[in-house]
Amino acid sequence: EAGVTQFPSHSVIEKGQTVTLRCDPISGHDNLYWYRRVMGKEIKFLLHFVKESKQDESGMPNNRFLAERTGGTYSTLKVQPAELEDSGVYFCASSPWTGGDTQYFGPGTRLTVL
Amino acid sequence: EDQVTQSPEALRLQEGESSSLNCSYTVSGLRGLFWYRQDPGKGPEFLFTLYSAGEEKEKERLKATLTKKESFLHITAPKPEDSATYLCAVQTINKLTFGGGTRVLVKP
Repeated sequence: EAGVTQFPSHSVIEKGQTVTLRCDPISGHDNLYWYRRVMGKEIKFLLHFVKESKQDESGMPNNRFLAERTGGTYSTLKVQPAELEDSGVYFCASSPWTGGDTQYFGPGTRLTVL
Repeated sequence: EDQVTQSPEALRLQEGESSSLNCSYTVSGLRGLFWYRQDPGKGPEFLFTLYSAGEEKEKERLKATLTKKESFLHITAPKPEDSATYLCAVQTINKLTFGGGTRVLVKP
C-alpha cells in the first residue's frame, strides 16, 4: 500500500511569490492533516480535512495560506504571497477516521523563501 | 493550552547502553499519546499509540509506557540503526500537539 506522498520535496522561491504544495493521502483515508515545522521549533498543526470539508483550520497562521481538498482526495496548500517566515518543512498526514486514530505522515516539503 | 515537553533534547549512547526518553504533557481531553521516529530528511514514522495510564507497548528494542502525566520510551541495548529523532505527540479531538523531540545518537 502506498504511503502519503508530497510534492515537491523542496521548493525555493522569492519573497512575494506564490507556491503550491500538494499532498496525496493514503487511499481510502478520509482525514487529511497539514502540519509545519519552522526552524528550531516543534511540528505544529495547521488544519484538518474530513473528506473535502475543513474540520479545523485553527492552526493556519494567516490568510496568505489557502488549503483545498477537491473531491476529498488530494489536497493543496497555497501560500500567496510568501514571506520569509513561511520557510520550513510542511508535512501532510492522513488517517482513516477521526478520534484517537493514527496519523501517517508524508516525507514533507521543504520550503525556502529568499 | 496543550503542552508537550520532551527530555533530554539530545542523547548520545554507546551501542548496548540502555536508556529512557521522557515525554511530559499537560492536556485536556487526551485521546491518545503517540511516539514517532524521524530520520533526517524524512517524515515522522509511527511507532506506538498509548491510550490510558498503565498501558505499555513494545516493538523490538523499544518499549513505551504511559502515566497520567508522562510517557517514557525505553531503548534496550540500542544499535546504531536506532539513531534518530524520537517525537512524542498528544492527540486531543483530532490534531496532534508535538514535543520538540529527542535526538538519539548510538555509537558503535
